[in-house]
Amino acid sequence: QKEVEQNSGPLSVPEGAIASLNCTYSDRGSQSFFWYRQYSGKSPELIMSIYSNGDKEDGRFTAQLNKASQYVSLLIRDSQPSDSATYLCAVGVVGGFKTIFGAGTRLFVKA
Amino acid sequence: DGGITQSPKYLFRKEGQNVTLSCEQNLNHDAMYWYRQDPGQGLRLIYYSQIVNDFQKGDIAEGYSVSREKKESFPLTVTSAQKNPTAFYLCASSKGTGTVNYNEQFFGPGTRLTVL
Repeated sequence: QKEVEQNSGPLSVPEGAIASLNCTYSDRGSQSFFWYRQYSGKSPELIMSIYSNGDKEDGRFTAQLNKASQYVSLLIRDSQPSDSATYLCAVGVVGGFKTIFGAGTRLFVKA
Repeated sequence: DGGITQSPKYLFRKEGQNVTLSCEQNLNHDAMYWYRQDPGQGLRLIYYSQIVNDFQKGDIAEGYSVSREKKESFPLTVTSAQKNPTAFYLCASSKGTGTVNYNEQFFGPGTRLTVL
């Protein structure tokens, strides 16, 4: 059973701080990794994709991938109250079109 | 604007009724997906389709049916056999093979189904 695990939270950080969201996955052969943001009552929005080991930065977001440890993380710098949402980690299934989603981490950014 | 549309936004079903949820995309994506999300839980795959006239069952296909007669459209029918259909239903699409980011999935706004 392929799995993607996330701490459900809630994770609470003050405005301006760095929020760190973590995810582990079970399929060692996985090649594609995604972070989605989902506001309450809305659909998920893709915010980061990462395919190789290391860091990938996009604005205030940095995705980090360590395939040896089967670990992927998302850092949000200068967190804003508008970043308060559930963040879903997703991992592409090897050799196919399917993607396994974690249950998500709820983030609260306090003004 | 390119994107994915789902309709209706809210749907109410009586016991024993079949209902069909619409999903349309104009992104020229080959693959399309249906997920179900229950409160406080992650996404569970119902059905997916890689090309027109072909689709595969996901993890929770029982009580659901789909068709893929056009590249742009992937409707989902929730049948009376689905015992607990109240949930948030999400349609997604992704590019076909041949691109490195072929399984980046983009979601529609969702349909919230309630059984009365």
